[in-house]
Amino acid sequence: AQSVTQPDIHITVSEGASLELRCNYSYGATPYLFWYVQSPGQGLQLLLKYFSGDTLVQGIKGFEAEFKRSQSSFNLRKPSVHWSDAAEYFCAVAISTGGFKTIFGAGTRLFVKA
Amino acid sequence: EPEVTQTPSHQVTQMGQEVILRCVPISNHLYFYWYRQILGQKVEFLVSFYNNEISEKSEIFDDQFSVERPDGSNFTLKIRSTKLEDSAMYFCASKTGGYEQYFGPGTRLTVT
Repeated sequence: AQSVTQPDIHITVSEGASLELRCNYSYGATPYLFWYVQSPGQGLQLLLKYFSGDTLVQGIKGFEAEFKRSQSSFNLRKPSVHWSDAAEYFCAVAISTGGFKTIFGAGTRLFVKA
Repeated sequence: EPEVTQTPSHQVTQMGQEVILRCVPISNHLYFYWYRQILGQKVEFLVSFYNNEISEKSEIFDDQFSVERPDGSNFTLKIRSTKLEDSAMYFCASKTGGYEQYFGPGTRLTVT
């Protein structure tokens, strides 16, 4: 069955340090991949997406993600984290088997320490 | 930039009451969705809707739930008799024929 795994429930990084959030997906066909960020009590903000082409995609707020088909991964990175990046991050895959829907991972909560 | 809007932003209701959550999808979109996020958990697919009928629904979407596009702009989710476990954030989404869904800001439903 299709699924998205985010192995880290929470991560703590120091402000200014680099960040990598892991995401693995399980889907037999071409994946359409997304990263969303959610602040407490708020909606989902799209950070970036991958449909095809260059496997390194740039997003908003200085985030990037790399698609690796051989590893079924789509990890999110940021070279220097800001305190305002503290939030919940969701990896997601859009699938079109039967119907179309987006499957979300369980999320990774990012804490940023001064 | 066009956005999906949802009303109300927060709805409080008593157990057993009916609630209707409203969404206005982006105007030229053809596919409509509802998702649910229980507090602290992941976002889960509820239902998809196209051409005035349900395309797919999850096991969560039981007989207590229904969706409707009552006019050319609104898309609603009705919960007929709310339960405590229906408390969640409900997200509406819409899309064209492509692969990206556009999500609304959500409605927080609290059932007491």
